[in-house]
Amino acid sequence: GAGVSQSPSNKVTEKGKDVELRCDPISGHTALYWYRQRLGQGLEFLIYFQGNSAPDKSGLPSDRFSAERTGESVSTLTIQRTQQEDSAVYLCASSPVSNNPTSKRDNPYEQYFGPGTRLTVT
Amino acid sequence: GQNIDQPTEMTATEGAIVQINCTYQTSGFNGLFWYQQHAGEAPTFLSYNVLDGLEEKGRFSSFLSRSKGYSYLLLKELQMKDSASYLCAVRDRAGGFKTIFGAGTRLFVKA
Repeated sequence: GAGVSQSPSNKVTEKGKDVELRCDPISGHTALYWYRQRLGQGLEFLIYFQGNSAPDKSGLPSDRFSAERTGESVSTLTIQRTQQEDSAVYLCASSPVSNNPTSKRDNPYEQYFGPGTRLTVT
Repeated sequence: GQNIDQPTEMTATEGAIVQINCTYQTSGFNGLFWYQQHAGEAPTFLSYNVLDGLEEKGRFSSFLSRSKGYSYLLLKELQMKDSASYLCAVRDRAGGFKTIFGAGTRLFVKA
């Protein structure tokens, strides 16, 4: 089946401009994460959506960052007034997070990652 | 909050065994993951431990001790393609069950 998709795959923008990154999770996955990964570094948690609960925004680095999710489908991450330090790969992941996995082989908490959006701020 | 520590880099020889350690501190532990990430690619799931003990899956095994806040990933019969970053991640009941990743361990496999 279709995996997690992200668009655009690459984005080059000028400092000060706003950008919008899109994530289409796997259908039926209730949980969705956004991470930032700078070159050669680990994953930095940004925001977490779980069903209809209020999102966990504790990882957003500043108020220039925001994210929305429509129901249990597409999510957008918006960065306003981009700065050069925002340059990174932005990864989206979704997971089923079901308390009743349909098979013993299912791991309800496994995260399925999209290919990422490489953002370069010049 | 959460704190996850793992070595920055490791080097091992093709055909050998390597153990990558991960220690964590969390207020509401609810599972530990290992992911593999090749350079320029997205992470992919390797293993999940929620109870103490060893989980084996082919050449890869993962161990968890909840009382010690400790896990390791064991890779046997190393192959050159195993050169990658290995990310330890912890799911935390506090704050709504989000998963936090460590910085990763970069493994170099040499011939």
